[in-house]
Amino acid sequence: DAGVTQSPTHLIKTRGQQVTLRCSPKSGHDTVSWYQQALGQGPQFIFQYYEEEERQRGNFPDRFSGHQFPNYSSELNVNALLLGDSALYLCASSYRTARETFGSGTRLTVV
Amino acid sequence: QQQVKQSPQSLIVQKGGISIINCAYENTAFDYFPWYQQFPGKGPALLIAIRPDVSEKKEGRFTISFNKSAKQFSLHIMDSQPGDSATYFCAASRSSGNTGKLIFGQGTTLQVKP
Repeated sequence: DAGVTQSPTHLIKTRGQQVTLRCSPKSGHDTVSWYQQALGQGPQFIFQYYEEEERQRGNFPDRFSGHQFPNYSSELNVNALLLGDSALYLCASSYRTARETFGSGTRLTVV
Repeated sequence: QQQVKQSPQSLIVQKGGISIINCAYENTAFDYFPWYQQFPGKGPALLIAIRPDVSEKKEGRFTISFNKSAKQFSLHIMDSQPGDSATYFCAASRSSGNTGKLIFGQGTTLQVKP
């Protein structure tokens, strides 16, 4: 039973560029949440998707946007990248009383 | 009111010893308190979680102690092993079902010496 799958695992982008990160949830899970984890910090909630709609959003600017597809997979898009966007981006999936399972993340480096 | 404060930032324990990590929260609406373990290059993995209707929960060598009046909870790792060396995060959420976003502490890096 595959867990949460994220791609790519590592990414290097230039300041000002745009990036798309992808997540496939654990089988049977229908809710996807995205978190940003800066080096040496705890993960911070970006937003959550359920039934293809953004259900909750953390304190992140509109440069961060997302999408959920009918098969429950999700994308995180970040526009106009800043150096401070360098972090590990984590996807977590869940279903009703089954709490979050995290993927291994995408390490984004902005240069 | 959304903060979760975790201490210590780092911890060194001898093999066989007890590791204790503490967290404090502010929002009394939080009703789910998990602990996560994270190894380098991996995402957080759920270790154990508690809800505020119980004061203690034990799973194997891991125990959560919960003090609702003090708004504090802690993780105890008994008989600590070198394989337990990792970063530990406490978290809290306000949820009905699984809809609540997780608010994480800053993390504790645990090193267990052989």
